[in-house]
Formats: sequence, structure tokens, C-alpha cells
Amino acid sequence: SQTIHQWPATLVQPVGSPLSLECTVEGTSNPNLYWYRQAAGRGLQLLFYSVGIGQISSEVPQNLSASRPQDRQFILSSKKLLLSDSGFYLCAWSVASLPVNEQFFGPGTRLTVL
Amino acid sequence: SQQGEEDPQALSIQEGENATMNCSYKTSINNLQWYRQNSGRGLVHLILIRSNEREKHSGRLRVTLDTSKKSSSLLITASRAADTASYFCATGGEDGQNFVFGPGTRLSVLP
Repeated sequence: SQTIHQWPATLVQPVGSPLSLECTVEGTSNPNLYWYRQAAGRGLQLLFYSVGIGQISSEVPQNLSASRPQDRQFILSSKKLLLSDSGFYLCAWSVASLPVNEQFFGPGTRLTVL
Repeated sequence: SQQGEEDPQALSIQEGENATMNCSYKTSINNLQWYRQNSGRGLVHLILIRSNEREKHSGRLRVTLDTSKKSSSLLITASRAADTASYFCATGGEDGQNFVFGPGTRLSVLP
């Protein structure tokens, strides 16, 4: 069966520090991968998605970047965090098909930037 | 852009009552999905309805889709305290690789 892992679960970082959040998927090949951010009590904002190794699409201009060094690994990074980067970050995967059907979400990382 | 918007933003009901949440969107879609999120957790897929379907059932869940009105509804029958969560609709475009999620409805089921 497929599983998706995210770590860390929580993170507190000072403004200006770097960030690296990791997401890995097991039990499937060539998945679509997604990073979302969720502000408190709000919906999900799609940040990045990837349809293959090294292929990253960005949905919104921002202080963050994403990379996909391996088929089932998706990394969210920042060189210098801003206060506005605080939020709940969710990684998700879906079967690579058109149209996209169900997305499977990881447990999320709660990031607080102080 | 296609954007799911749920209403109401918050809903509080008694256990055993039915809960109805609505979702509206703006552009043509291939499918619409409903997800559930418990506080501080990831989202869990509940049900998918395709643009050529009008109604779909899964256990106590009933989803309808009206493409002429660009709207969908999620009905949870005989609600339980464990149904307390946020519910999101997400629309999948006809040729897109991703979804657009609405802001969600926070459902509280009181025992």
C-alpha cells in the first residue's frame, strides 16, 4: 500500500533562517507531487506541483522553492524565512493521470516563524 | 480561475441531525471532490463526482453536482460527534494537473 511521510511535524524557526521540509512517498511510482500551505482556519493554497523528477511548477510568486531530486521525494525550501511563511504545510501525491483524481495527503508540518 | 467556495463557513448541529454544505465554482470542471480535515491533520478524500454525474452516495454521505449552476452539495446524514471536522471541496479542471480548494466549512456536531 502507498504511504506518504512528511517531516518534521512541527518546526519553530527565526526570521531569516533557512528552511527544508521533506516529503517522501512509498508504494507507488512516478506520482504527481504537491506542496500546499494552509493558513489558520483557511483553505489550501497550492504552492508547487511536480509531474516528474526535476519538473517543478510554481503557482504563486513567493519566498519558497521546491525540488524533486528523486521520483518519490519532494522538498520545500527557503533561503531566508519571513514571518508570513508561518503556516501548515501539506504534501500530497496523486496518480499521474489526466485528469487528476484523488489526492493523498501527508500529516503536515506546522511551521512557526518568529 | 476555477475556485471552490464552500458555504456556510461554519455549521453547528446536534448529533443525529443532517448536515448540508455547499460548494460553488467558476469554470468548467472535470470532477469535484470533497475532503475532510480533522484539526491539525492532513486531508482525507471522501468522495469524487464527475462532471457527467448528478448524484453519488458513499455510506452516510450524499453528494450532488449541478454543472448548470456550478455548484455541489455534501450531505452528511445522521451526524455523529466524530464527524466534527472541516470539509473542503476541490475542483479538478478538464486538462489540469491540480485542484483548487475552497476555504472550507467547519462542522461541529454537538453530542
